[in-house]
Amino acid sequence: DIQMTQSPSSLSASVGDRVTITCRASQSINSYLNWYQQKPGKAPKLLIYGASSLQGGVPSRFSGSESGTDFTLTISSLQPEDFATYYCQQSDSTPWTFGQGTKVEIK
Amino acid sequence: VQLQESGPGLVKPSETLSLTCTVSGGSMRNYHWTWVRQPPGKALEWIGYIYYSGSATYSPSLKSRVTISVDTSKNQFSLKVSSVTAADTAVYYCARHCDSGSYCYWGQGALVTVSS
Repeated sequence: DIQMTQSPSSLSASVGDRVTITCRASQSINSYLNWYQQKPGKAPKLLIYGASSLQGGVPSRFSGSESGTDFTLTISSLQPEDFATYYCQQSDSTPWTFGQGTKVEIK
Repeated sequence: VQLQESGPGLVKPSETLSLTCTVSGGSMRNYHWTWVRQPPGKALEWIGYIYYSGSATYSPSLKSRVTISVDTSKNQFSLKVSSVTAADTAVYYCARHCDSGSYCYWGQGALVTVSS
């Protein structure tokens, strides 16, 4: 199985901050990396697919990038509605696996 | 496209968990349909997916206990997990595949508790 190691597991940030979350794959996943936002009691919401493509309707402050087996989700200017847990997911080979999540909290 | 999970919220240990996902607002044709679960306070776990034609793929860790089926005439797909234990207690989500194997449409989730 491909392991997805997400870091940090949590972070505290202020409104307006630039936030970066990283996900490292245990092997090549050919850009098949997706990012989700999940708020308490809600289903995950797709933000980024294919490592860097912004899902329709998602604000442009969210962006994704990759470097080899390292993938990054960046929020350029954190907004109040962005406080949530973020997950990466690889869809290169089954079993499709998720990272352990990063909880973004208010500082 | 909207997805809605339905099924019992409480299942006894050793019994079979059964959930159905009803799809509305779109066709099931030409898409893969997935089940994902999330134990309380923990991360998401992929269970498996099924193509509209009926071909299914499962997580190796659950493969011996899981069956996913599809009924396109009812616009539904279903999940069965046999011999459940407390470790199967989770919110179960159904979802539809989109670009690059992502999930762009999700159900609201169904909490299933395994307890006697």
